[in-house]
Amino acid sequence: GNSVTQMEGPVTLSEEAFLTINCTYTATGYPSLFWYVQYPGEGLQLLLKATKADDKGSNKGFEATYRKETTSFHLEKGSVQVSDSAVYFCALRRPIYNQGGKLIFGQGTELSVKP
Amino acid sequence: DTGVSQDPRHKITKRGQNVTFRCDPISEHNRLYWYRQTLGQGPEFLTYFQNEAQLEKSRLLSDRFSAERPKGSFSTLEIQRTEQGDSAMYLCASSPLGQGLNTEAFFGQGTRLTVV
Repeated sequence: GNSVTQMEGPVTLSEEAFLTINCTYTATGYPSLFWYVQYPGEGLQLLLKATKADDKGSNKGFEATYRKETTSFHLEKGSVQVSDSAVYFCALRRPIYNQGGKLIFGQGTELSVKP
Repeated sequence: DTGVSQDPRHKITKRGQNVTFRCDPISEHNRLYWYRQTLGQGPEFLTYFQNEAQLEKSRLLSDRFSAERPKGSFSTLEIQRTEQGDSAMYLCASSPLGQGLNTEAFFGQGTRLTVV
């Protein structure tokens, strides 16, 4: 079946530290991959996405590269800020024509950035 | 457009009562999804609609749960005879029709249900 596994949190970093949150997936075919972020008290927001192998998604200083050979989509940021404190979810989506575009999420990784 | 709207934001109910949640998707988004998120977990798919047709239901959606989207616009999710295990955040998302790149889902802020 399809599944997503993320590194467990919480991850605690100092401001300006380098961030990596690991994400690996299991899926048949060619899923699209996403990172969503959930700030305290808010809904899920799309952070970045990649739709095919070797694509790099980027937004707000965050990056993730779709690695089909390692079935991974690790999230990175070179210098985190306190405002990046949130829960990050990795997700995959099968093609729209297959399973209607529903998302399969990892369990989430909480990031806490200290000043 | 203000995005996906869910109502209420919070609901506390006694075990055995029925509850109903509403979701207003982004205008002209044909697809509407319901997910459930429990504490410390990622959202889990419950069901989705394409216009007014409910095309898929998860096994998580027991017979106490029913969802509707009667006119292809807003949707309701009803839980009958609530149980404490139903306590969770219920998320709604919508996306446009199509298979292209820009068909990602936009999420509402969720309805947090507490069954006491």
